[in-house]
Amino acid sequence: GAVVSQHPSRVICKSGTSVKIECRSLDFQATTMFWYRQFPKKSLMLMATSNEGSKATYEQGVEKDKFLINHASLTLSTLTVTSAHPEDSSFYICGGKGNNEQFFGPGTRLTVL
Amino acid sequence: QKEVEQNSGPLSVPEGAIASLNCTYSDRVSQSFFWYRQYSGKSPELIMSIYSNGDKEDGRFTAQLNKASQYVSLLIRDSQPSDSATYLCAVNMLYGGSQGNLIFGKGTKLSVKP
Repeated sequence: GAVVSQHPSRVICKSGTSVKIECRSLDFQATTMFWYRQFPKKSLMLMATSNEGSKATYEQGVEKDKFLINHASLTLSTLTVTSAHPEDSSFYICGGKGNNEQFFGPGTRLTVL
Repeated sequence: QKEVEQNSGPLSVPEGAIASLNCTYSDRVSQSFFWYRQYSGKSPELIMSIYSNGDKEDGRFTAQLNKASQYVSLLIRDSQPSDSATYLCAVNMLYGGSQGNLIFGKGTKLSVKP
């Protein structure tokens, strides 16, 4: 299957700071990338869909000004959690779509103190 | 309403047995179906995709699709303790402005006992 990388894998930050997470498709071009959040023992929750060169489409209830998504190229999408709060602590996973199949990055575990 | 339903489990099977995981979906025109495996603390890993009615086999895994019944299943033969994980069913839904995004079930937790 295709390879998606994510960086960082783990981040701990203070409340009020911003955190940027990078997602790269390493061996395919992903015109569409997805950002998910998963709380412990809960299912994946789609936050937004980003298409290369255009604005992201956010799911209902996800604040676009808080979760900034940029998809500047066919292999890179970034998620910035702005002014992070403890309730933003979660496992963030990106996905890239290639050849009708969706592949996930390894995830970023965010802890906001 | 876009829905993918799975039994949350846990489903417990002895080592060497067949594990059967089931999934139903609400969108009659869906065309693409996927099974992902997620170990605790890790991201989902694609293990099977199926697009047409019938069975698709890959090693110890067999996916079965019945579009008339809106039902997709995953069979794991000769289950191993390393198969213990949460299995997510995902359906590519095409209606309601979903942009063809994957809709995930909540997952079935499988436990294979040695």
